[in-house]
Amino acid sequence: ETVLTQSPGTLSLSPEERATLSCRASQSVTRSYLAWYQQKPGQAPRLLIYGASIRATGIPDRFSGSGSGTDFTLTISRLEPEDFAVYYCQQYASSPGTFGQGTKVEIK
Amino acid sequence: QVQLVQSGPEVKKPGASVKISCTASGYTFTSYALHWVRQAPGQRLEWMGWINVGNGKTEFSPKFQGRVTITRDTSASTAYMELRSLRSEDTAVYSCVRVGAAYCGGECYFDSWGQGTLVTVSS
Repeated sequence: ETVLTQSPGTLSLSPEERATLSCRASQSVTRSYLAWYQQKPGQAPRLLIYGASIRATGIPDRFSGSGSGTDFTLTISRLEPEDFAVYYCQQYASSPGTFGQGTKVEIK
Repeated sequence: QVQLVQSGPEVKKPGASVKISCTASGYTFTSYALHWVRQAPGQRLEWMGWINVGNGKTEFSPKFQGRVTITRDTSASTAYMELRSLRSEDTAVYSCVRVGAAYCGGECYFDSWGQGTLVTVSS
């Protein structure tokens, strides 16, 4: 199965700063079948990005996804207070689908 | 809006089985596949399997093959996940999730999540 490794584990930033989260796959994720989710405490994950770079419905344009093959990035251009959360990547190109271990974006 | 409402928390003894329900609303139930994922304490999200709600066909992760069953009742817009031969390592939050597009099957992202059901396995 494809193992996804996210880095860093924790990102300490201030509001209005730029956040760059990485997701690296152990083998190529074909068709850019890579999604990103945001999860806040006590809530279910929320879809942000699919197809590596397509924003889901209602997601602000400060969230952007990029990458292909084995290296993918989620960028939050200017952090808002509500963006401090845990972020997961998921590959759905090959079965079983797998998730990264998460990156926590915390307030510095 | 799309809603997936799951059954409540469960406490089970090792060796027992658990069956969790997931009732959908806000869309045509048979048009979208449903998957099940779980997250054990301190662990990453783990995909378990999925069901083609239209025809009832299922596929499971090799890790759970033989121990899990996913079914659906289209008249009740409800899917079920049963996990058997429970062990302590199965203690986790189990979630049903809907695929993000009607054409998606097993290879898909998820646009709607149930609230999660905590299953605790303890003697």
